[in-house]
Amino acid sequence: RKEVEQDPGPFNVPEGATVAFNCTYSNSASQSFFWYRQDCRKEPKLLMSVYSSGNEDGRFTAQLNRASQYISLLIRDSKLSDSATYLCVVNMGGGSQGNLIFGKGTKLSVKP
Amino acid sequence: ETGVTQSPTHLIKTRGQQVTLRCSSQSGHNTVSWYQQALGQGPQFIFQYYREEENGRGNFPPRFSGLQFPNYSSELNVNALELDDSALYLCASSLFGVFQETQYFGPGTRLLVL
Repeated sequence: RKEVEQDPGPFNVPEGATVAFNCTYSNSASQSFFWYRQDCRKEPKLLMSVYSSGNEDGRFTAQLNRASQYISLLIRDSKLSDSATYLCVVNMGGGSQGNLIFGKGTKLSVKP
Repeated sequence: ETGVTQSPTHLIKTRGQQVTLRCSSQSGHNTVSWYQQALGQGPQFIFQYYREEENGRGNFPPRFSGLQFPNYSSELNVNALELDDSALYLCASSLFGVFQETQYFGPGTRLLVL
């Protein structure tokens, strides 16, 4: 089983749609969680951290369920500029376990 | 922009050659991590450097090695290049030991091995 698994995608949605990405992770000792966004041929950029209580940043909402080892990202009112690959990322912890484990990513295309 | 820089941006090498990639961390950051991203895949952790020492390593052979300098910049060296080493190499800088440690990525170096 892969350490971080995501919906394979691609997701093709019209502008204004709501889209949800799901992700599961295998290591229950994982301590921190993120969503990164990667545009074509660019580096990953932090979209948001994910907290147990859930968190929202404008049109983006992230949820974490530690019991199910499940992370989600909801994008409301999709914009053309949201088109990118979304990477689910898990970190075992800071310090000596500070490496990030990435999913393969889910590609989102928002169409006019 | 993150303030993390990498050089060169692109590189073409042949099998068996050696390559050195460079990374300058964001101001205030003391840790550099290196990742390899093959086409269609998520980045894979190679290793991390903190206090000029390797501080964690992923599943990469010893021909992948690195250095960190007193100014926190870092190098990734790959010896005996193989075709499968063709990938985007990303470095990320962060502040060691911070909860929810966030890593900020540089633009990457695209390596093509022929």
